[in-house]
Amino acid sequence: GAGVSQSPSNKVTEKGKDVELRCDPISGHTALYWYRQSLGQGLEFLIYFQGNSAPDKSGLPSDRFSAERTGGSVSTLTIQRTQQEDSAVYLCASIGGSSYEQYFGPGTRLTVT
Amino acid sequence: DAKTTQPPSMDCAEGRAANLPCNHSTISGNEYVYWYRQIHSQGPQYIIHGLKNNETNEMASLIITEDRKSSTLILPHATLRDTAVYYCIVRAPRAGGTSYGKLTFGQGTILTVHP
Repeated sequence: GAGVSQSPSNKVTEKGKDVELRCDPISGHTALYWYRQSLGQGLEFLIYFQGNSAPDKSGLPSDRFSAERTGGSVSTLTIQRTQQEDSAVYLCASIGGSSYEQYFGPGTRLTVT
Repeated sequence: DAKTTQPPSMDCAEGRAANLPCNHSTISGNEYVYWYRQIHSQGPQYIIHGLKNNETNEMASLIITEDRKSSTLILPHATLRDTAVYYCIVRAPRAGGTSYGKLTFGQGTILTVHP
């Protein structure tokens, strides 16, 4: 597609359940980022991928959070044993070519009840 | 990355120019000024960036002071669809090491364009 896509757009889950969030970056973009944004707050960096490797995982808030990227393309963010404080919009962005502009997806709104 | 300061909110009449200021007094020589915006319920959208020269594209103009300690984003003819939170970010284009390119957004400026 033309832009970054994310799925699902909305996810409601019960506390303690695991969730998987998906990001499809722009084709050919080598760098991929995950952020989250709580209500009324700025972006919080989670993890950065260059190709399939993640040189910067410094933003992952706990070991319940993990992410992988396969084939230098699709990435999945997994949150295990979700907690209410995990409720937020999870955003994915990608960069490619000679540009340093980050192109964002529409986000996944996660609600943990 | 250098810290930025923006007013929390601004209003603008439709069709008029919107001038959004940003202070970045601790900017260093290799850091660029980037502007993004976030329309309600959407992901952030890149607008423009610059180093020291003024820049213009189809969306906006960026005016950077000679000392680079502040800048202004100009939307020349604001429309209702420009209502959004505007973020000014200062960073090196390649942060180096393992922190390549991550963005740190502050609170931004809520721009409301009214009829």
